[in-house]
Amino acid sequence: GAVVSQHPSWVICKSGTSVKIECRSLDFQATTMFWYRQFPKQSLMLMATSNEGSKATYEQGVEKDKFLINHASLTLSTLTVTSAHPEDSSFYICSADISVNEQFFGPGTRLTVL
Amino acid sequence: AQSVTQLGSHVSVSEGALVLLRCNYSSSVPPYLFWYVQYPNQGLQLLLKYTTGATLVKGINGFEAEFKKSETSFHLTKPSAHMSDAAEYFCAVRPRNNDMRFGAGTRLTVKP
Repeated sequence: GAVVSQHPSWVICKSGTSVKIECRSLDFQATTMFWYRQFPKQSLMLMATSNEGSKATYEQGVEKDKFLINHASLTLSTLTVTSAHPEDSSFYICSADISVNEQFFGPGTRLTVL
Repeated sequence: AQSVTQLGSHVSVSEGALVLLRCNYSSSVPPYLFWYVQYPNQGLQLLLKYTTGATLVKGINGFEAEFKKSETSFHLTKPSAHMSDAAEYFCAVRPRNNDMRFGAGTRLTVKP
């Protein structure tokens, strides 16, 4: 099946700093990618839909100025957590669409903000 | 709006016993339906999906699920549990041309 990678797999940062997470589709082109957030022992919550060449669509309650998404190419979307705080610590997962019924997920990035 | 309900946040079975994880959805039209498995600190792996056609869907690792429109259900089953099946399982729905929504998840524990 198709492969989606994320980098880094884990990151620890100080409060107030910014962290960039990359999501790549390795063997296919993805017009649409999605960013999810998962708190411990909870489900995945959709944060935003990232469309190549256009602005991301954010879910209600997600601050677009805090979670910057860039989808500059058909194989790369980035999520930047700006001015991170401890409450931003979470597991961030991206996914990419091949079709409406085929979505592949990355392995996730664990962010810990001290 | 569509939603997904997974009954039972935690299911415990003995090795070799039947696994049944329940999922009900609400949607104005039958959506695409998915089951994913997640091992600790990993992403999601697709077990199986229903789009159209046969309502009994077979997936990987011996799992299967049946789409029942009248019950708006898509329960996941496996005849005989293995220790390696212990993980978190997520049911998800995706209406046509819309975003995927996940259930709260069910943690499966397999006792020796």
